[in-house]
Amino acid sequence: DAGVIQSPRHEVTEMGQEVTLRCKPISGHNSLFWYRQTMMRGLELLIYFNNNVPIDDSGMPEDRFSAKMPNASFSTLKIQPSEPRDSAVYFCASSFESNQPQHFGDGTRLSIL
Amino acid sequence: AQSVSQHNHHVILSEAASLELGCNYSYGGTVNLFWYVQYPGQHLQLLLKYFSGDPLVKGIKGFEAEFIKSKFSFNLRKPSVQWSDTAEYFCAVTSTGGGNKLTFGTGTQLKVEL
Repeated sequence: DAGVIQSPRHEVTEMGQEVTLRCKPISGHNSLFWYRQTMMRGLELLIYFNNNVPIDDSGMPEDRFSAKMPNASFSTLKIQPSEPRDSAVYFCASSFESNQPQHFGDGTRLSIL
Repeated sequence: AQSVSQHNHHVILSEAASLELGCNYSYGGTVNLFWYVQYPGQHLQLLLKYFSGDPLVKGIKGFEAEFIKSKFSFNLRKPSVQWSDTAEYFCAVTSTGGGNKLTFGTGTQLKVEL
């Protein structure tokens, strides 16, 4: 029973580069969430989708961040251009519905130099 | 706006001590309540959830939580902690008034000493 799959697990890149994080939700789940976790700010919801449609992107920090969900089994979170302050662990989660328990992926640890 | 407060940011206990972590929320409408645990270097995992019915909810690994509607609280308890319970614990809430979006508290870091 595959859980939420995220890639890459780790990414180190120089500031200014484009970063793309990927997520495959659990099959059958209708809701997908992107979170960012840092020591300073804790766990922050960036954006969530319901049936592939973005419902709430109020947590996206700025225009450099964008997220897409072209189909029910795939989502991307893109940062362009990246900055050192974007360094964090980014988690993807999915659930049957937006108010149901969420299942988290292992996260992508992103370091921007 | 919907919010979740966890007042204890860091808790240190000795093995076999009892645990209670506080969680309070503000909401509009019907709530669903959750506790998640994040072990060092791992992702968040669901410990327990409350949707309706018996306000005392039992979860995995001997944890339980009690929903007290009048106090807007959902405190997490365990009678006797183990070293392996060292982790960060997050309370989370969805509510119909909050658009059914899951809102997390800031987390409580628990360290259990031998």
